[in-house]
Amino acid sequence: EIVLTQSPATLSLSPGERATLSCRASQSVSFYLAWYQQKPGQAPRLLIYDASNRATGIPARFSGSGSGTDFTLTISSLEPEDLAVYYCQQRSNWPRTFGGGTKVEIK
Amino acid sequence: EVQLLESGGGLVQPGGSLRLSCAASGFTFSTSAMSWVRQAPGKGLEWVSGITGSGGSTFFADSVKGRFTISRDNSKNTLYLQMNSLRAEDTALYYCARAMGTTYYFDYWGQGTLVTVSP
Repeated sequence: EIVLTQSPATLSLSPGERATLSCRASQSVSFYLAWYQQKPGQAPRLLIYDASNRATGIPARFSGSGSGTDFTLTISSLEPEDLAVYYCQQRSNWPRTFGGGTKVEIK
Repeated sequence: EVQLLESGGGLVQPGGSLRLSCAASGFTFSTSAMSWVRQAPGKGLEWVSGITGSGGSTFFADSVKGRFTISRDNSKNTLYLQMNSLRAEDTALYYCARAMGTTYYFDYWGQGTLVTVSP
């Protein structure tokens, strides 16, 4: 099973700041990685797929990069509504697995 | 509009069984791979099981293999999860999710149904 490790566990930033979230895989997943956003009390929402492709309707301030074992989700300029937990997920191997999440707090 | 509506959750004793359903609408269900993803209270996401559009192939997390069965009725646009030999650690909100194409990335999610396993 591929283990995805996300860091940091919590990120506290002010509106307008840049957020950088990391996801590291225990073995290569090529570019088969997605990012999701889960706001309090809501179901997750797909943000990024195949490492760097924005899903439909996702604002341009969200971007993804990386390949192999190291991936990054960047929020270029934080908005108050970006308060959420962000998860990475791989589709390279069965079983599909999620990372433990990074909570983004807005100061 | 794509809609996924889960049902069937509830309180069950350890060792018991429960069947979850997910009614789908707004897309061609029979050609869409589907999955169940769960979230224990206050915890992260855990992929549980997946099934191809035809129902010909199924996949499971190690934590539920041999206890859970996934199936679908394409004539009713409904996905199922049969859960047997339930344990306390199966307590979670269970989401039904549509896979994007054949990727098993999940582009649409339901709101979830809560399963509580407790004496």
